Amino acid sequence: QVQLLQSGAEVKRPGASVKVSCKTSGYTFTDAYIHWVRQAPGQGLEWMGRINPESGGTNTARQFQGRLTMTGDTSITTAFMELSRLKPDDTAIYYCARSLFSVPATDSWLDPWGQGSLVTVSS
Amino acid sequence: SYVLTQPPSVSVAPGNTARITCGGNNIGSKTVIWYQQKPGQAPVVAINYHTDRPSGIPERFSGSNSGNTAALTITRVEAGDEADYYCQVWDSDNYWVFGGGTKLTVL
Repeated sequence: QVQLLQSGAEVKRPGASVKVSCKTSGYTFTDAYIHWVRQAPGQGLEWMGRINPESGGTNTARQFQGRLTMTGDTSITTAFMELSRLKPDDTAIYYCARSLFSVPATDSWLDPWGQGSLVTVSS
Repeated sequence: SYVLTQPPSVSVAPGNTARITCGGNNIGSKTVIWYQQKPGQAPVVAINYHTDRPSGIPERFSGSNSGNTAALTITRVEAGDEADYYCQVWDSDNYWVFGGGTKLTVL
């Protein structure tokens, strides 16, 4: 079955960067987008961006432009999300999730999701 | 920016019907996706591509969408339905947009 397995928890100082990985299996890595969504403690879901692993093309939410880098390594079917210049309010669980190329963006859904990676930013 | 508005909480007795709304400007022209998130777990899709239910989601779950309001309706609510529910649409300016989430409490 399709699975997305994320890297473990991280603790970072303000101003640092964090890189989270998302290892995929059970489908062709280059047949679907990988999205990144975060959830601050006790808060809702916030879409950050997506990457096309086949082309490397990305779309990024306005509030993360300039700080968010998304990449993919087809040889290990793994996507990566790097967030720079971290602030305490970047403390959140970061999720990766898949959407299919075959479904137009206007109709697309995120499924499945990884288990989440907790990133804590604290001095 | 496109905003989706959900009530923070909905409470319902077991066996009754829960209706969770999601408001947005002309949301009836968009596809609305619903996610269920139980404590400590990642979200899962409850309703996709207009009103389809993914496998594993009971027939008790259904979606509707018209005008400025979309809704997730859960009939014959069970204790296991207690979760946070999020609506999501795609917007040409903001890409994937989530509502603020609704906590469903089964009394």
